[in-house]
Amino acid sequence: GDSVTQMEGPVTLSEEAFLTINCTYTATGYPSLFWYVQYPGEGLQLLLKATKADDKGSNKGFEATYRKETTSFHLEKGSVQVSDSAVYFCALSDDDYKLSFGAGTTVTVRA
Amino acid sequence: EAGVAQSPRYKIIEKRQSVAFWCNPISGHATLYWYQQILGQGPKLLIQFQNNGVVDDSQLPKDRFSAERLKGVDSTLKIQPAKLEDSAVYLCASNRVRSYEQYFGPGTRLTVT
Repeated sequence: GDSVTQMEGPVTLSEEAFLTINCTYTATGYPSLFWYVQYPGEGLQLLLKATKADDKGSNKGFEATYRKETTSFHLEKGSVQVSDSAVYFCALSDDDYKLSFGAGTTVTVRA
Repeated sequence: EAGVAQSPRYKIIEKRQSVAFWCNPISGHATLYWYQQILGQGPKLLIQFQNNGVVDDSQLPKDRFSAERLKGVDSTLKIQPAKLEDSAVYLCASNRVRSYEQYFGPGTRLTVT
C-alpha cells in the first residue's frame, strides 16, 4: 500500500539556520504530495502541495519539489524563525483523495 | 468561515468504559474524516464519510469503534469498550468533494487508564 517515510526528529536549530526535512514515499500510482504543519496548541493545517512530478510547492518561505525519480518531497526553508517551531508531516494522496501521513518531525527553533 | 469544531478537547476514562466524540465540519463540506493519532505517529484514517454515507471504514476496529453522520453534517465517533491502546488524539477533518486539502479540527485527546 501507499506509505510515507520522513526523517526522524526532533530537530533543533538556531534562528536563521537552513532547515531540511527529508520525505520519501511509496505509491502504486502517481500521488499528490503534501506537507502539513501543526503549531503548538493548534490543528493540522496544509503548508504546501504538489500534484505532479517536478512541481514545486511553496508557502511561508518553505519549498518542496516533487521528485518522481527519487520518490521524494523534501521540505526546505532557507532561514527559519522561532515561529516555525512545529511538527511537520509529509503526506500523500492517491486517486481517492485520502491522505497517508508520515510519522511527523518535531522542529524547535531557538532564538 | 468557522473551522472544524470538535468536543470535548480532553477526556480521561478507565478501560472498559465507553466514550463519544463529536465533530462539526466546515459548512458545505460534504466529506468528513476521522483519524487516530497515537503519540509519535502520524494520523491514521479510521473512517471517511461523504454526506451521510460511509466511503471507507476499512481501518475502523468495528468490534469496539462506531461512527455515524446523521443528516450529512455533524458526526460522532464512539468507542465501547475502551482499551489502553486507544489512548490517542482523535482528529476530525473535512473538505469539499474531490478536493485534496483537508481542514482539521483541534482534536480530542483521549487517555485510557
